[in-house]
Amino acid sequence: ELKVEQNPLFLSMQEGKNYTIYCNYSTTSDRLYWYRQDPGKSLESLFVLLSNGAVKQEGRLMASLDTKARLSTLHITAAVHDLSATYFCAVDQDQGAQKLVFGQGTRLTINP
Amino acid sequence: DGGITQSPKYLFRKEGQNVTLSCEQNLNHDAMYWYRQDPGQGLRLIYYSQIVNDFQKGDIAEGYSVSREKKESFPLTVTSAQKNPTAFYLCASSIKRPNYGYTFGSGTRLTVV
Repeated sequence: ELKVEQNPLFLSMQEGKNYTIYCNYSTTSDRLYWYRQDPGKSLESLFVLLSNGAVKQEGRLMASLDTKARLSTLHITAAVHDLSATYFCAVDQDQGAQKLVFGQGTRLTINP
Repeated sequence: DGGITQSPKYLFRKEGQNVTLSCEQNLNHDAMYWYRQDPGQGLRLIYYSQIVNDFQKGDIAEGYSVSREKKESFPLTVTSAQKNPTAFYLCASSIKRPNYGYTFGSGTRLTVV
């Protein structure tokens, strides 16, 4: 059974600082997704990582995937308040069906 | 514009009552999914369907039922057998290629009263 674990689960940081969210998963997969969720809202797709070594960047967010270590990271550079949200990683557990297993989420709060 | 529409946005259920959550997509996606999210938690898969007239149980299917009579529609019924239905329910869809992941609906918040 595929398990996906994120850490930290809660993160409070100051504007302008850098930090990294980690996503570990338990079985082989080369398809990993990052989503953002604002309070009371649905999930918004951030990144799709489909191969070992994949790196994607959008603004102050950068995601990477190491399939050998079964690890993905979401790096935040020079954080701003607008990035406050809950971030989820999800791993595709079925090569044929695209069935995603989600991590617990990381609640990120960025303080002025 | 294409997207997924979930309705209603808020739903209140009395004890012992069945309720149905609607999910409609006009993206021409083959696969559709229902997830449940509890406060401060991740998403757990209830049911999914890859083609019309076929669906599979997810990790927490007990107390729920679905149908997939049309490609565009994947309604979820929360039955009285689901003892703790209060949660945020998210519907999603995807194409078979993995490049895009899921597209999510806006969610239905179900509360037992």
